[in-house]
Amino acid sequence: EAEVAQSPRYKITEKSQAVAFWCDPISGHATLYWYRQILGQGPELLVQFQDESVVDDSQLPKDRFSAERLKGVDSTLKIQPAELGDSAMYLCASSLEFGQDYNEQFFGPGTRLTVL
Amino acid sequence: GQSLEQPSEVTAVEGAIVQINCTYQTSGFYGLSWYQQHDGGAPTFLSYNALDGLEETGRFSSFLSRSDSYGYLLLQELQMKDSASYFCAVSDGQNFVFGPGTRLSVLP
Repeated sequence: EAEVAQSPRYKITEKSQAVAFWCDPISGHATLYWYRQILGQGPELLVQFQDESVVDDSQLPKDRFSAERLKGVDSTLKIQPAELGDSAMYLCASSLEFGQDYNEQFFGPGTRLTVL
Repeated sequence: GQSLEQPSEVTAVEGAIVQINCTYQTSGFYGLSWYQQHDGGAPTFLSYNALDGLEETGRFSSFLSRSDSYGYLLLQELQMKDSASYFCAVSDGQNFVFGPGTRLSVLP
């Protein structure tokens, strides 16, 4: 069964360091999402891609966060510099496409980030 | 903007029926979906309602009233494995927003 892959699963870093997360969506899924989830809260959308284009990054802290999906397949989310408040689970999800005809989102296992 | 409200916690016993409510305020609306997340796991899709009414999938059902900006998830014949967090989420065609989640505890 096809799955969304993410790496690393866990990351511990010191504040002011740079971190990067990788996501490989299910093959054929045009839409890719990056979410941040703080313990006890719902996932918060950071950025949404349709193929290689950014559809929504309104909640992405652009002074320190960046995301790319250069070939419209896998994606990288970067934080530089990391801050204590960035400690959270970072989830990647993919779907066939995004629009009025809803397509189920499939989530990867996430990357648990701890900033010391 | 968009905002969603859910009860923070619900407790029920095995075999019982539980309803988790979700109210939303959005500038646009395509549909309401529900996700389940076990501790330490990733969210998994449960259901989606674009039109008013009840959708049934096994022990789980989901309801939507667009005029009331309200929906609920109904879980029947509760099992211990149903203990998890449940999130409603709204799509307006451009944005996708999750609610704060409801933590369901199923007691023996």
